[in-house]
Amino acid sequence: DQQVKQNSPSLSVQEGRISILNCDYTNSMFDYFLWYKKYPAEGPTFLISISSIKDKNEDGRFTVFLNKSAKHLSLHIVPSQPGDSAVYFCAASAQGGSQGNLIFGKGTKLSVKP
Amino acid sequence: ETGVTQTPRHLVMGMTNKKSLKCEQHLGHNAMYWYKQSAKKPLELMFVYSLEERVENNSVPSRFSPECPNSSHLFLHLHTLQPEDSALYLCASSQYLGSQPQHFGDGTRLSIL
Repeated sequence: DQQVKQNSPSLSVQEGRISILNCDYTNSMFDYFLWYKKYPAEGPTFLISISSIKDKNEDGRFTVFLNKSAKHLSLHIVPSQPGDSAVYFCAASAQGGSQGNLIFGKGTKLSVKP
Repeated sequence: ETGVTQTPRHLVMGMTNKKSLKCEQHLGHNAMYWYKQSAKKPLELMFVYSLEERVENNSVPSRFSPECPNSSHLFLHLHTLQPEDSALYLCASSQYLGSQPQHFGDGTRLSIL
C-alpha cells in the first residue's frame, strides 16, 4: 500500500503560469517532506523541503505548502519556465529513530510549454 | 551534480552473469543508500549503510549483495538475476544516517536478458 501518493502522472502548463504539483500521504508519523526533480538520464536532484512544524517554505520560484490535517502537500512553481520540465517526486520521512528511509511517490511529469 | 558518481551508467547482462555496480561519493557523507526504480513504480529503498555498517535490508533477495568498504564507496554485487530485476539502480548519500536531503547519483540502467 502506497504511503506517498502523487495522483497526477502528468501536468502540462504554459510558460509563465503557475504549476501546482500535489502529493498525499497516509502515515501520520511522517514529519519531514521533500521534493526532488529528475531530468531524463539523471538522478533525482533535491529541490525543496518542509518540516511538519511549518506549513510553508519558499525558495525563489518554488514554494511548498503542507496541510497536516489533510495529509497533503503541494509544490508551487511560479512563474513556470520550460527548463522546469521534468519529473517531480514527493518524498517523506519519519525523523525520530529514522533509519534514513525516504518513502517516494511515483512522480508527476511536468511539461512547461513555451 | 558530480557529488555522487555511479558506474557503469548502463549494463546489460544475462541471468547467469555476475556483475557489480559501483557508487562513489565525494561529499564527505557518512551514510549511503541503494534504491531501485522499476517502471511505473516509486523508488524503493534496498539497503542502507552508516559508517560502513549495514543498518537496513528491505527484504531484498540474496542475489543482490551490497558491500561498503569505506564511507565513500558502495557496491552492489549482482548474480543470477531475473528479468524482473531490470530497473534503474540509484545510489544516494547523506551527511549522516537519517539526515536530509539525500543526494543521488545518476543511476545505472540495468537490463537482464
